Amino acid sequence: SAVISQKPSRDICQRGTSLTIQCQVDSQVTMMFWYRQQPGQSLTLIATANQGSEATYESGFVIDKFPISRPNLTFSTLTVSNMSPEDSSIYLCSVEFGHHSYEQYFGPGTRLTVT
Amino acid sequence: SQKIEQNSEALNIQEGKTATLTCNYTNYSPAYLQWYRQDPGRGPVFLLLIRENEKEKRKERLKVTFDTTLKQSLFHITASQPADSATYLCALDKNGQNFVFGPGTRLSVLP
Repeated sequence: SAVISQKPSRDICQRGTSLTIQCQVDSQVTMMFWYRQQPGQSLTLIATANQGSEATYESGFVIDKFPISRPNLTFSTLTVSNMSPEDSSIYLCSVEFGHHSYEQYFGPGTRLTVT
Repeated sequence: SQKIEQNSEALNIQEGKTATLTCNYTNYSPAYLQWYRQDPGRGPVFLLLIRENEKEKRKERLKVTFDTTLKQSLFHITASQPADSATYLCALDKNGQNFVFGPGTRLSVLP
């Protein structure tokens, strides 16, 4: 396993603004993912963060709204753009070690409230 | 349509008993199924993965079964303890790479 940290842990933002969430892993990982968990709900995959190329987005999520960067094998960012109250949620990054290990390790999450 | 259901939103059991949680799915053909534990304010923690050709898997007090005919997985915690109280999520692969999560069951083990 590894230590996965996210910054910020929480934030309150005004509608129309953007927030960038960072995910840092203390060792190199093959796969990194971004999830959203709305209050009282389960996790929904937003996208797979690909190192050195554009992220792969799930249906219902687009790059303009959720731009993702992954400059190396230990770091990724997710930006929530032009926020509305509906974006209030917990955002989690997760990682997999090795191809097809399928065991995901999650960061602690970023709790976002949009007012 | 595709759906994942977990038996109930909440399950209360007495300490020392076996907790059994259910995960049913519709219109998926997963090769893998996983169970995670999530505590309030934290990210999910991986517990077990079971493959479609495995009927059962065990890890300490945990046991998972996977029945691809019934499209169901059962998750058992034997000799349950109050520290086992958490939300448990099942997840299954939808395309050999990404996983989709069920809604979770909140387990409370009463002393």
